[in-house]
Amino acid sequence: KAGVTQTPRYLIKTRGQQVTLSCSPISGHRSVSWYQQTPGQGLQFLFEYFSETQRNKGNFPGRFSGRQFSNSRSEMNVSTLELGDSALYLCASTQTSGKETQYFGPGTRLLVL
Amino acid sequence: DQQVKQNSPSLSVQEGRISILNCDYTNSMFDYFLWYKKYPAEGPTFLISISSIKDKNEDGRFTVFLNKSAKHLSLHIVPSQPGDSAVYFCAASATGTYKYIFGTGTRLKVLA
Repeated sequence: KAGVTQTPRYLIKTRGQQVTLSCSPISGHRSVSWYQQTPGQGLQFLFEYFSETQRNKGNFPGRFSGRQFSNSRSEMNVSTLELGDSALYLCASTQTSGKETQYFGPGTRLLVL
Repeated sequence: DQQVKQNSPSLSVQEGRISILNCDYTNSMFDYFLWYKKYPAEGPTFLISISSIKDKNEDGRFTVFLNKSAKHLSLHIVPSQPGDSAVYFCAASATGTYKYIFGTGTRLKVLA
């Protein structure tokens, strides 16, 4: 079974631009979560989607948004990029996001100049 | 408000010895806990999990212990191998929140 895939793997943007990242979960998984990882901060939860509905959201500004499609693929968008948005963005999937293991993709490394 | 804490940013252990990584949490509603290993430029890889109804779970060289009264969990790696050198994250979840909270990680270095 194929794992979680994320595209693109690397991205360079400038301040003020916007960016869209994509995540394809493991086949059969309907829950997708997004995290931001920065040095010293661990993984910060952004949001979780299940069956196209956002069920939970972390403490990030409204510039960070996401969506999920009917095939469970998910995208996250960051508008008006700031230097501090430079990070590794990770996507993880589970079947339902209950008491089960989250499986992570390789991440998208975003650099904002 | 850091609900999951890994107070040791780094740990060095000799090959063949035991590695013990610790994690503390503050939310008593957490009922599922996981450990992940992460190499640079890769996504975290699942190692082992434990439900709050248990106090120990074992998988090969990895054992996780949960002390609910102390709100503390630990990961034991025996014996430690150089390939275990990575950053280890603990994570916790509460039923119905659809959210996993991660600690800040502990960098383990296993010395050959």
